[in-house]
Amino acid sequence: AQSVTQPDIHITVSEGASLELRCNYSYGATPYLFWYVQSPGQGLQLLLKYFSGDTLVQGIKGFEAEFKRSQSSFNLRKPSVHWSDAAEYFCAVGSGGYNKLIFGAGTRLAVHP
Amino acid sequence: EAGVTQFPSHSVIEKGQTVTLRCDPISGHDNLYWYRRVMGKEIKFLLHFVKESKQDESGMPNNRFLAERTGGTYSTLKVQPAELEDSGVYFCASSQGSSYGYTFGSGTRLTVV
Repeated sequence: AQSVTQPDIHITVSEGASLELRCNYSYGATPYLFWYVQSPGQGLQLLLKYFSGDTLVQGIKGFEAEFKRSQSSFNLRKPSVHWSDAAEYFCAVGSGGYNKLIFGAGTRLAVHP
Repeated sequence: EAGVTQFPSHSVIEKGQTVTLRCDPISGHDNLYWYRRVMGKEIKFLLHFVKESKQDESGMPNNRFLAERTGGTYSTLKVQPAELEDSGVYFCASSQGSSYGYTFGSGTRLTVV
């Protein structure tokens, strides 16, 4: 069965530090992969997506993610975190068919000044 | 362009009562999805409408949940009778065509006491 694992429930970083959020997936075919962010009181916002092609994907707000098929991973990175990046981040895989998404449990990011 | 609107934003009801959540998708979006996040867990798919038809309702937890989308515009999700385990955040999303280009609403936080 398809699944997404985000091993880190909570991460705290200092402002200006680099960030990497981990995501591992289980999917039989070539996956469609997504990262979403939810800020307090907001809906889920798409940061970036991978369908095919270049395995390093650029997204909004300075985020990028790298698809590594051999590791079944799609980790999210940002070179320098801003206080406004404090939010909850969700990795998801598209399960084909009717474009249903399967989400991980989320990683809550706190940013220290 | 207005986004996906959900209301109420919060609802607190007693066990055994009925609650109806509403979602107004982006105008012209044929696809409408409902997802749910139970406390601290992953966001899970509930169902998918294409216009007024239920395309996939495999994620609906039981027959206490009833979703409708009359006329292919807004959708309602009724929980009757509500149980404690129904507490969580209910997200609605819409998209156009056969793509993963979802726009999510900000969710309804349901608390059953």
